[in-house]
Amino acid sequence: AQTVTQSQPEMSVQEAETVTLSCTYDTSESDYYLFWYKQPPSRQMILVIRQEAYKQQNATENRFSVNFQKAAKSFSLKISDSQLGDAAMYFCAFDRDDKIIFGKGTRLHILP
Amino acid sequence: GAVVSQHPSRVICKSGTSVKIECRSLDFQATTMFWYRQFPKQSLMLMATSNEGSKATYEQGVEKDKFLINHASLTLSTLTVTSAHPEDSSFYICSARPSRDRGFNEQFFGPGTRLTVL
Repeated sequence: AQTVTQSQPEMSVQEAETVTLSCTYDTSESDYYLFWYKQPPSRQMILVIRQEAYKQQNATENRFSVNFQKAAKSFSLKISDSQLGDAAMYFCAFDRDDKIIFGKGTRLHILP
Repeated sequence: GAVVSQHPSRVICKSGTSVKIECRSLDFQATTMFWYRQFPKQSLMLMATSNEGSKATYEQGVEKDKFLINHASLTLSTLTVTSAHPEDSSFYICSARPSRDRGFNEQFFGPGTRLTVL
C-alpha cells in the first residue's frame, strides 16, 4: 500500500524568509505523480506544484520548488520569500492508478 | 481554469434523515469524480471513486449503503448520506478529473460541504 508521511504537523516562518516542508512516501511503483496541495482557511484545495516521477528535474512554480529524491522517496516543498497569503495547511500527495493519497498535512504559519 | 462546484456548502439535518450533496464540473466534462471526507484538523480521506454511468468504487471501510453515490452525467455526481447520524458530521469534498487525458491524474476540487447532524 502506498503511504505518504509528513512529519511536521506545524511550522512557522518569518515573512520573506524561506521554509521547507518535508514529505516521504512509500511505493513499489516506478511511475507515479507527486503533488503538493494548499488548503487555506477557506478549505478550497489548491494545487501548488506537481512532479512526475520519471523526470529527474525538480519542478518549480514561481516561489515554490520541490526537492525530489526518488531513491530516498522524499519530496520536500520549498517556499521562498514567504508571504502572509502562504499561511495554510499543506498536503503532500501521491497519485497512482487514479487515486490521490494525501499525507496528514503541515500547518504553515507566516510570522509578520 | 476548471471549476467544480458543490451544493449545498453547509447543511444541518436531524439524525435519521438523508442528505444529498451535489458536485458539478462547470466548464468541463468529468468521466471520474472522487468523494473525500475531512475531519477537523485532519487530512482528506478518499471515500469512493465515481465513474459516469457505472457503479462507484468504495474504499475499504466505507459503507456503500450509508454513502450512496450516483454519477448520472459527465458533469454531475451526487453523494447521499442516508439515515445520517452525528458521527457522519464532517466536511465532504468532491473532485473531478477531466475526461480529456492529460497524462496524469489532474483533479479539480470543489469548495466542500459541511454536514452537521444533530
